[in-house]
Amino acid sequence: GDSVTQMEGPVTLSEEAFLTINCTYTATGYPSLFWYVQYPGEGLQLLLKATKADDKGSNKGFEATYRKETTSFHLEKGSVQVSDSAVYFCALNSRQGAQKLVFGQGTRLTINP
Amino acid sequence: GAVVSQHPSRVICKSGTSVKIECRSLDFQATTMFWYRQFPKQSLMLMATSNEGSKATYEQGVEKDKFLINHASLTLSTLTVTSAHPEDSSFYICSASSQTQYFGPGTRLLVL
Repeated sequence: GDSVTQMEGPVTLSEEAFLTINCTYTATGYPSLFWYVQYPGEGLQLLLKATKADDKGSNKGFEATYRKETTSFHLEKGSVQVSDSAVYFCALNSRQGAQKLVFGQGTRLTINP
Repeated sequence: GAVVSQHPSRVICKSGTSVKIECRSLDFQATTMFWYRQFPKQSLMLMATSNEGSKATYEQGVEKDKFLINHASLTLSTLTVTSAHPEDSSFYICSASSQTQYFGPGTRLLVL
């Protein structure tokens, strides 16, 4: 079945550091790919998405490119802030439109001042 | 962006009682809503898919008589945890779909 694998956390960085959180997937067909962020005590917020190969999703300085050849959707940010501390989830759905999402295990990110 | 609300945000109840959690899409109609459960420091586990006007589809291992789901309108789905026990204590999150899934803020349930 479809699956998502994220780099294990927790990840701790200093403010203004470069961030990469790796995400790879296994899916039949052509999934849409997502990054969600969960701040402490809250639900998930959609951070960015990409619906087809080579698409780049971006939001709030975060970027991720849909790489079909490597089945990856790595999250990057050039300069992180303390307010970026949260848990980040990579996810896919295997069909266009809102169907079931398959989540990675989540990566906890802590940014120190 | 689309807004999904949940109510209550936090609930404490006694063992054996039932608890109802509401999920509303505030500015769009959602034919499909999803209910997830999240344990501490873990990912989300899909419990069921709720379709407006029809019975919910439960994931394997989720007791449908324990977790009653009703999706009476295009903007409201409810999850009722019946005869709750301490092991049902968890963070319950709903989402509503409109091409993309939008998540509610979650409901933290503590069963004493």
